[in-house]
Amino acid sequence: QKEVEQNSGPLSVPEGAIASLNCTYSDRVSQSFFWYRQYSGKSPELIMSIYSNGDKEDGRFTAQLNKASQYVSLLIRDSQPSDSATYLCAVLLSGGYNKLIFGAGTRLAVHP
Amino acid sequence: DGGITQSPKYLFRKEGQNVTLSCEQNLNHDAMYWYRQDPGQGLRLIYYSQIVNDFQKGDIAEGYSVSREKKESFPLTVTSAQKNPTAFYLCASRHTGTSGSVEQFFGPGTRLTVL
Repeated sequence: QKEVEQNSGPLSVPEGAIASLNCTYSDRVSQSFFWYRQYSGKSPELIMSIYSNGDKEDGRFTAQLNKASQYVSLLIRDSQPSDSATYLCAVLLSGGYNKLIFGAGTRLAVHP
Repeated sequence: DGGITQSPKYLFRKEGQNVTLSCEQNLNHDAMYWYRQDPGQGLRLIYYSQIVNDFQKGDIAEGYSVSREKKESFPLTVTSAQKNPTAFYLCASRHTGTSGSVEQFFGPGTRLTVL
């Protein structure tokens, strides 16, 4: 089992809709979770971090964390074509040297 | 203007050559990382450093070397021993906030191609 799993997509949503991106992880004691957005040919950009169970909202983005079920999700409300990118889920492994494990990413396509 | 810079943006290497990728940050971050990204894949950790003059191997360190002589700089050398070096190389540094957050930020990347 991969340490961080994401559906590779593409996830296609119409403009204005809610895009829902999901991620599961295997390390039961991980405490820190991150979502990065990566445009084609560019480096990843941190858009959300979440550390506690529940929801965290920032503008059109909401991160949801459920540690018992070992999943973290990202909701993008009022999706725009400029949101079209690959979204990487990252989990900070417990213990040691703060190692981030990345999923392979979900490609999101928002069509007008 | 604070941030993480990487150079060059594009790099071409001939077979058997060593090349060095530069990474500099002026964010006063202690920890720095090097990742490799291949098409359609997630990021894989090559090396990391938590303090000056100290660094550890990541998951795919074979064929790579690093140094950390200054807090601001963490160069990566891709040696001839790395058999498949064509990839997108990303440097990152880590912020540890007062709340204990451990957010990691990336530079713009270097795209290395072996000719």
